Amino acid sequence: RKEVEQDPGPFNVPEGATVAFNCTYSNSASQSFFWYRQDCRKEPKLLMSVYSSGNEDGRFTAQLNRASQYISLLIRDSKLSDSATYLCAVTGGLLSFGAGTTVTVRA
Amino acid sequence: GAGVSQSPRYKVAKRGQDVALRCDPISGHVSLFWYQQALGQGPEFLTYFQNEAQLDKSGLPSDRFFAERPEGSVSTLKIQRTQQEDSAVYLCASSAKGSLTGELFFGEGSRLTVL
Repeated sequence: RKEVEQDPGPFNVPEGATVAFNCTYSNSASQSFFWYRQDCRKEPKLLMSVYSSGNEDGRFTAQLNRASQYISLLIRDSKLSDSATYLCAVTGGLLSFGAGTTVTVRA
Repeated sequence: GAGVSQSPRYKVAKRGQDVALRCDPISGHVSLFWYQQALGQGPEFLTYFQNEAQLDKSGLPSDRFFAERPEGSVSTLKIQRTQQEDSAVYLCASSAKGSLTGELFFGEGSRLTVL
């Protein structure tokens, strides 16, 4: 079983829609959690850290559920520019990445 | 430049050739990481340096892979006797923090194709 697993998608949503997806992790000792964004053929870039109490950055909301060992990302009012692959990353000694969830926002 | 710089951006090698991939991290960043990203997959950890010390190389897939960071800044990932399964994008990332909890800044990657 991989340390970090994500639904690969793709999630195809119209502009303005809300889209949400999860990432599960296997190491219960994991300490830090992140969402990275990766555009096609580009490098990953940090989107946001995920805090225990949940956090919001504009249209993006991240949640952590330690009991069930998953993190989530919710994007409200989707824009065309949100189309990308979203990678979750978890540290439990090393920073491990999921395979990514692809989101496509259509006009 | 202000970001992580990697070279070459693209490398085509014949099977059996040796390749060297270079990473120039953000100036002053303590930690440097190498990841391998195959098509459609997430980055897979290869190795980690804190300054010049290689603290973890557990992700290197075989003894054909070797990484160094002799002066604590520029790093080189060397792959000997390349195989087709080595074809991937090799991402370098650096972090200001010495621990593994800081934000990683990635370079654009070196795309290796082994024929």
